[in-house]
Amino acid sequence: DAGITQSPRHKVTETGTPVTLRCHQTENHRYMYWYRQDPGHGLRLIHYSYGVKDTDKGEVSDGYSVSRSKTEDFLLTLESATSSQTSVYFCAIRDPSGRNIQYFGAGTRLSVL
Amino acid sequence: AQSVTQPDIHITVSEGASLELRCNYSYGATPYLFWYVQSPGQGLQLLLKYFSGDTLVQGIKGFEAEFKRSQSSFNLRKPSVHWSDAAEYFCAVGASGNTDKLIFGTGTRLQVFP
Repeated sequence: DAGITQSPRHKVTETGTPVTLRCHQTENHRYMYWYRQDPGHGLRLIHYSYGVKDTDKGEVSDGYSVSRSKTEDFLLTLESATSSQTSVYFCAIRDPSGRNIQYFGAGTRLSVL
Repeated sequence: AQSVTQPDIHITVSEGASLELRCNYSYGATPYLFWYVQSPGQGLQLLLKYFSGDTLVQGIKGFEAEFKRSQSSFNLRKPSVHWSDAAEYFCAVGASGNTDKLIFGTGTRLQVFP
């Protein structure tokens, strides 16, 4: 298994509170991704990073921000959580072969009440 | 724009039966194609991938997939399904440009009856 750890694995929070999810990798890969998974939508890209301090938006980035101060850590922040952000969040890293092979973490299940 | 369609939301098969999960894609060039499997409560595991060359690719757990350019398809197959294959399966296509994004289908849930 790829060395990806997501924390926390489960979180329940209230509407309006800030939430930060962490993705930690031990592979020293350059590219990291955050996805959300919802029934009927598959996986949708939120943000991704192509290096330290280099990030870009995905298709569902509204309401989310990210930071990457070290190669191994990629943080996803919900500044003010809403019920529509209840989802399962996956982090992924990309194989450095250049062929976009991505490996996924175990996910974080977030419930916003 | 790139897109992936998995027409079957839910498929039920008997253990030992053959399986084919459909995947159609829209892409302007030769795509990178992937199948992932997700067991309940788990992350996604890469089953197999296609980049170029031989259009029939073998993956883990006895799965294979065939790339058909004329049909824009990359269907996943297994000759004899095991109860442990019950999971959700996602097809994905590598997007163009420098961003190296993957576009995922909405998934097919496979149920296996004994």
